[in-house]
Amino acid sequence: AQSVAQPEDQVNVAEGNPLTVKCTYSVSGNPYLFWYVQYPNRGLQFLLKYITGDNLVKGSYGFEAEFNKSQTSFHLKKPSALVSDSALYFCAVTRGGSARQLTFGSGTQLTVLP
Amino acid sequence: EAGVAQSPRYKIIEKRQSVAFWCNPISGHATLYWYQQILGQGPKLLIQFQNNGVVDDSQLPKDRFSAERLKGVDSTLKIQPAKLEDSAVYLCASSSTQDTQYFGPGTRLTVL
Repeated sequence: AQSVAQPEDQVNVAEGNPLTVKCTYSVSGNPYLFWYVQYPNRGLQFLLKYITGDNLVKGSYGFEAEFNKSQTSFHLKKPSALVSDSALYFCAVTRGGSARQLTFGSGTQLTVLP
Repeated sequence: EAGVAQSPRYKIIEKRQSVAFWCNPISGHATLYWYQQILGQGPKLLIQFQNNGVVDDSQLPKDRFSAERLKGVDSTLKIQPAKLEDSAVYLCASSSTQDTQYFGPGTRLTVL
């Protein structure tokens, strides 16, 4: 079975400060890892993914994530937060080579304070 | 490129009624997914199609939920009869290489 943990329900950060949203995972085999963002009354919007290669993955809107195999983590980061980054963020995992059923975490609400 | 389309965006019904949701995936995407997202939780996969065949429906409550993708393009998800606990957002997603999934705006269902 595969699972995702997002230990923080809520993250608050001041505008201009760096932000981190945490994610740890459990999956047999090689993980495929994803970050999605959800704005109110909208669907999930793809931010970035890790399949293989460089452990630091860059995505949309200045976001990046670092894959750490030994810690089974895939934390989302941004060097300088914007108020418009305030949204609900989901981490997801699937097993490489499988039929790609995604398992999502419970989400982290990010609030960037002006 | 047009994204995943879903309709309706909102639906309110009473328990024991039936309801249907429609999804049109991104053109050329062979794989289509239906997810249920209950408030405060992450999406949960209900069913996955590859073209017009079912890949995984292990988490679909088959006594009341059904889904089809007859021509390998559009899909419909039906609930009959609805229960209070079916209140959720129903998300449709599609992918081309079974890799990145792209989501539609969702249908928010309220069962009274």
